[in-house]
Amino acid sequence: QSVLTQPPSASGTPGQRLTISCSGSSSNIGINTVNWYQHLPGTAPKLLIYDNNQRPSGVPDRFSGSKSGTSASLAISGLQSEDEADYYCAAWDNSLNGLVFGGGTKLTVL
Amino acid sequence: EVQLVESGGGLVQPGGSLKLSCAASGFTFSGSTLHWVRQASGKGLEWVGRIKSKANRFATAYAASVKGRFTISRDDSKNTAYLQMNSLKIEDTAVYYCGSGGDLDSWGQGTLVTVSS
Repeated sequence: QSVLTQPPSASGTPGQRLTISCSGSSSNIGINTVNWYQHLPGTAPKLLIYDNNQRPSGVPDRFSGSKSGTSASLAISGLQSEDEADYYCAAWDNSLNGLVFGGGTKLTVL
Repeated sequence: EVQLVESGGGLVQPGGSLKLSCAASGFTFSGSTLHWVRQASGKGLEWVGRIKSKANRFATAYAASVKGRFTISRDDSKNTAYLQMNSLKIEDTAVYYCGSGGDLDSWGQGTLVTVSS
């Protein structure tokens, strides 16, 4: 069981806007920033969002992140078939003194 | 271009040891934090540990599941980080990734470690 809680799956149709939630606690998301990663099986994971809502160079502005209290969200607008992947949130946990990941959300584009 | 290449994976018996390497290029390795993250088959990403830069006294931190068995080190002269894994258990079987930066902004392709008798 992961320290950060994500829905195991999500789905949408091309062009749709979709959000993925990530729930944590006062020892992680509540006091530290959240990153989001995109992972296609067999490939290197990719940083999608850092510091809650910042996009690295090269990441389309269709991807956005937000944080409120002990929860965070990743929003994907204008869904594309190439967005099919696993998405993970992560944050440092001060109580565990370690980085914690969500369990991952498998996104299917119908 | 940032590149991270893991190596050293393979088949090892329970209780055995293995040392993984992560060769880096394309960025200032000596100033960067290096992480190890693993993924067991059909499971999610699990953070293993990290080592900070010399300026941060090479500070290390580990997940509870590997603390006392795994050790992360680095050789800045070779732009390489290492993960020494001792007392391996079947549940350590996974693809092991190294990642650079405090935000894990770049990752390698991973190396498979299989612990089995």
